[in-house]
Amino acid sequence: GQQLNQSPQSMFIQEGEDVSMNCTSSSIFNTWLWYKQDPGEGPVLLIALYKAGELTSNGRLTAQFGITRKDSFLNISASIPSDVGIYFCAGPVYRDRLAFGKGNQVVVIP
Amino acid sequence: EAQVTQNPRYLITVTGKKLTVTCSQNMNHEYMSWYRQDPGLGLRQIYYSMNVEVTDKGDVPEGYKVSRKEKRNFPLILESPSPNQTSLYFCASRRANYGYTFGSGTRLTVV
Repeated sequence: GQQLNQSPQSMFIQEGEDVSMNCTSSSIFNTWLWYKQDPGEGPVLLIALYKAGELTSNGRLTAQFGITRKDSFLNISASIPSDVGIYFCAGPVYRDRLAFGKGNQVVVIP
Repeated sequence: EAQVTQNPRYLITVTGKKLTVTCSQNMNHEYMSWYRQDPGLGLRQIYYSMNVEVTDKGDVPEGYKVSRKEKRNFPLILESPSPNQTSLYFCASRRANYGYTFGSGTRLTVV
């Protein structure tokens, strides 16, 4: 199945720093989704984007739907310890088939 | 509380012994889906359902069956489990145009 490319794969950041990650695809998406997964839990939807160029915030999180529709970005501002986890991007490829990136492990150092 | 409930959370079974993982959602969502998560491979979709009696294959359907007889339930059936089906499984549901809400996962080990 189609995969989305996430980079970087892991990040170690100092508490209080901002962190950015991106997700790219070789094909166009009409929707971009960003999820966070805590250890031992299922992914939780953070932000959904539906229009090219759209910029959406959810608290300290901001995500953008790239103009080319082949990429999306997630930014976390002023990171705190509970931001630790795996962040996934996802997008629909056909009907309800959803492609996921392999995830970005974020570690926040106090 | 709006949620997706999977059972069991943990399961150890032997090769070839049929098993069912149940999934139920209380949000009246049309769409439901099953995923498996493996190290290095991320989340891969097994089957999805767009409504009652409407199901379709995802990326890795081999060795699995599903049914959607009622809107709230979407069980995953492994008729003859094999060790390569050892994985972390997630059920999820959503309305149209909204991202999936995931259950807490079922960790399956097939020995």
